[in-house]
Amino acid sequence: AQTVTQSQPEMSVQEAETVTLSCTYDTSENNYYLFWYKQPPSRQMILVIRQEAYKQQNATENRFSVNFQKAAKSFSLKISDSQLGDTAMYFCAFMKGYNNNDMRFGAGTRLTVKP
Amino acid sequence: DAGVTQSPTHLIKTRGQQVTLRCSPISGHKSVSWYQQVLGQGPQFIFQYYEKEERGRGNFPDRFSARQFPNYSSELNVNALLLGDSALYLCASRGDRDNPYEQYFGPGTRLTVT
Repeated sequence: AQTVTQSQPEMSVQEAETVTLSCTYDTSENNYYLFWYKQPPSRQMILVIRQEAYKQQNATENRFSVNFQKAAKSFSLKISDSQLGDTAMYFCAFMKGYNNNDMRFGAGTRLTVKP
Repeated sequence: DAGVTQSPTHLIKTRGQQVTLRCSPISGHKSVSWYQQVLGQGPQFIFQYYEKEERGRGNFPDRFSARQFPNYSSELNVNALLLGDSALYLCASRGDRDNPYEQYFGPGTRLTVT
């Protein structure tokens, strides 16, 4: 079974600085997808960034980037130039293969951006 | 375009009762999944439906059931409610073509069992 571990329950960062959230996962699959979701206090889960396991290049979306280490089964999220609106719960998620909606989530990291 | 919608927003039930939660996917999305998010934890997969057929089931008891209608909306039913069923229930839809790997989540239904 696939498991996702986020070892940092809470983190904080000063506005405009950079923060990295950690995620490790366990799987025997070779073809899978990894995601970072953001859940603000309003509850709506929003996709931040996605990484396909077959791609060696790390995904980037504006201020958000990942460090995907397939051999180490590590998938960290880096937020640059942190903004107050980045304050939220961040969930790392794993999905094996295409057309498989059994998405496994980590327990989450609560990020607070301080002014 | 409207996103994924869920109703009701909040619900309070008593132990032993039954509850039905509703979800409308994004227009054109044929896949709907349900997740349970207990306070302080990540979401846990309950069901996936695609074209009205169950395509996946998580590790939940038979008290949990779901169905999908011809218009692709979906209902999640929970019978014989337990205190431990108190959670945020999230619905997510996914399209076939635009981005098959991306799920769009609704705002959730907060269920409290007393």
